[in-house]
Amino acid sequence: EPEVTQTPSHQVTQMGQEVILRCVPISNHLYFYWYRQILGQKVEFLVSFYNNEISEKSEIFDDQFSVERPDGSNFTLKIRSTKLEDSAMYFCASTSTGFNEQFFGPGTRLTVL
Amino acid sequence: QQQVKQSPQSLIVQKGGISIINCAYENTAFDYFPWYQQFPGKGPALLIAIRPDVSEKKEGRFTISFNKSAKQFSLHIMDSQPGDSATYFCAASIDQAGTALIFGKGTTLSVSS
Repeated sequence: EPEVTQTPSHQVTQMGQEVILRCVPISNHLYFYWYRQILGQKVEFLVSFYNNEISEKSEIFDDQFSVERPDGSNFTLKIRSTKLEDSAMYFCASTSTGFNEQFFGPGTRLTVL
Repeated sequence: QQQVKQSPQSLIVQKGGISIINCAYENTAFDYFPWYQQFPGKGPALLIAIRPDVSEKKEGRFTISFNKSAKQFSLHIMDSQPGDSATYFCAASIDQAGTALIFGKGTTLSVSS
């Protein structure tokens, strides 16, 4: 069964450093998303991406964040200058077309020290 | 208007019992209501979803009940099993690919054997 994959599974970084989280969406999907989940809290939407453009973004997704589809398979989330409060699980998700059935990856745990 | 309220926060059920988790939404434009199951350290997995053209949807032991006028929906897990022990999130969105899923805060279900 096709699935969303994410790398790395755990990233540890120092405050102020840049990090790039990587995702490989399901191969025939066209819509891609990033969500985050702070430990013990709900899943929060960050951004959606379609046709090489951001479709929708939340208030959390400020200028420190950017997304990119650098090639035909990867989808990345970059955090330019990490803060302690960026520590969370980051989930990538993807959808084919039409309906909003989103399939999530296993997540990357980001720890900012 | 974007909130999804979920209750209870935690739930303990005996094996074989019925687990019931409730959610309420505010935005009347929402027309897609999925439930996700999350095990520790894993990403949310789509469990079952409903759209407002029906009041109930059943898949195996899992049933969603939907009350459009009350803006409420609920997940029923029949014959609950220890393997169902997980965190369950309800979500809501406009049923169009690329739109944000708005999640509830989650319910931690423990099924005792």
